[in-house]
Amino acid sequence: TQLLEQSPQFLSIQEGENLTVYCNSSSVFSSLQWYRQEPGEGPVLLVTVVTGGEVKKLKRLTFQFGDARKDSSLHITAAQPGDTGLYLCAGLTDSWGKLQFGAGTQVVVTP
Amino acid sequence: EAGVVQSPRYKIIEKKQPVAFWCNPISGHNTLYWYRQNLGQGPELLIRYENEEAVDDSQLPKDRFSAERLKGVDSTLKIQPAELGDSAVYLCASSPWASGGPQETQYFGPGTRLLVL
Repeated sequence: TQLLEQSPQFLSIQEGENLTVYCNSSSVFSSLQWYRQEPGEGPVLLVTVVTGGEVKKLKRLTFQFGDARKDSSLHITAAQPGDTGLYLCAGLTDSWGKLQFGAGTQVVVTP
Repeated sequence: EAGVVQSPRYKIIEKKQPVAFWCNPISGHNTLYWYRQNLGQGPELLIRYENEEAVDDSQLPKDRFSAERLKGVDSTLKIQPAELGDSAVYLCASSPWASGGPQETQYFGPGTRLLVL
């Protein structure tokens, strides 16, 4: 059972469109991370958010951590084919740094 | 700087056979993790090492799974005997910090894809 619920499970959009991926939990996390995983590879860290209400921008990607530190969102502006991948959120608990991953959102951006 | 190295990349075995996966973490990283990622799911932690000590193996199915990190560097994960349900991607990750902080970064290897027939 995944502690973090991600939605949608799958998203297919055209190049240039915007998209938002959500990560929700009933648990409070000390921090939350977003990873992107491409086929045949391991997850690669995109960002870590620590403070409730925090917003971080990474070029066309905007990450937000909920005020209560239970949820997060990832918004991509003007998506490109290179944004295609499995986006995973992972919450870090206070207990020995154990990451709890969501099931991921598969994003496909077509030219 | 070389990333986390895993081998083999793919393994196909018949059920009841043993299998072993090897991981070489990033140089200087004292924390090492083994994860299992089932199809359509996120990674789930199997075991975490700090140097040569297994500090969290609560999710490791100890009846058939074992792991070791004898010199605090390379690690091996073994399954004996393998079952059909063990088919998954086994990921190794490393981190330079011990005991995890709020901004701990884990660096993942490419994984070993195991298929049990």
